[in-house]
Amino acid sequence: TQLLEQSPQFLSIQEGENLTVYCNSSSVFSSLQWYRQEPGEGPVLLVTVVTGGEVKKLKRLTFQFGDARKDSSLHITAAQPGDTGLYLCAGDDYGGSQGNLIFGKGTKLSVKP
Amino acid sequence: DAGVIQSPRHEVTEMGQEVTLRCKPISGHNSLFWYRQTMMRGLELLIYFNNNVPIDDSGMPEDRFSAKMPNASFSTLKIQPSEPRDSAVYFCASSLSAGTGHGYTFGSGTRLTVV
Repeated sequence: TQLLEQSPQFLSIQEGENLTVYCNSSSVFSSLQWYRQEPGEGPVLLVTVVTGGEVKKLKRLTFQFGDARKDSSLHITAAQPGDTGLYLCAGDDYGGSQGNLIFGKGTKLSVKP
Repeated sequence: DAGVIQSPRHEVTEMGQEVTLRCKPISGHNSLFWYRQTMMRGLELLIYFNNNVPIDDSGMPEDRFSAKMPNASFSTLKIQPSEPRDSAVYFCASSLSAGTGHGYTFGSGTRLTVV
């Protein structure tokens, strides 16, 4: 069974701090997606990374796909309370898992004003 | 587009009762997914459909769970009889096509409480 391990599980920081969360696996993925889920809502897609070593930026968020396509990181600069939520990574393994995404359990981020 | 629409948003039912959750995917999306989310287990895939056909139902907990997709614009997840351990948030998601790297669009979920 392929697994995506996310760390840390929980993170509580003050507004203005920087942070990095990680998504690791022993499996290779054709692409990897990051979602953010706010309380009472479904996950919302933030970004998809496809190429090994790829870096994508979304305002203060920087996403990186590992060279071997087995891991990814999300870095947030100068975190704001609006960044609070559950961050989920999800891998697409060339359709090996019968075509659906494999989700990690997420990192729950709390940014305090 | 209004996105993926789920109903009801909240459902409280007594143990043993039948529960039906509903989902309208985004028009033009060929894949539909049902997930269950709990604190302990995170997001668990229950079943998914491609072009209205069930492809993988290995995540359905037991025979008490069933899902249908009679047409491209509607799907249901039924639990009969319901049990307290079924209490969770159930999400429906749709995608242009599974296994191609397309992102999923999730609905707002149905919070089910079985007492």
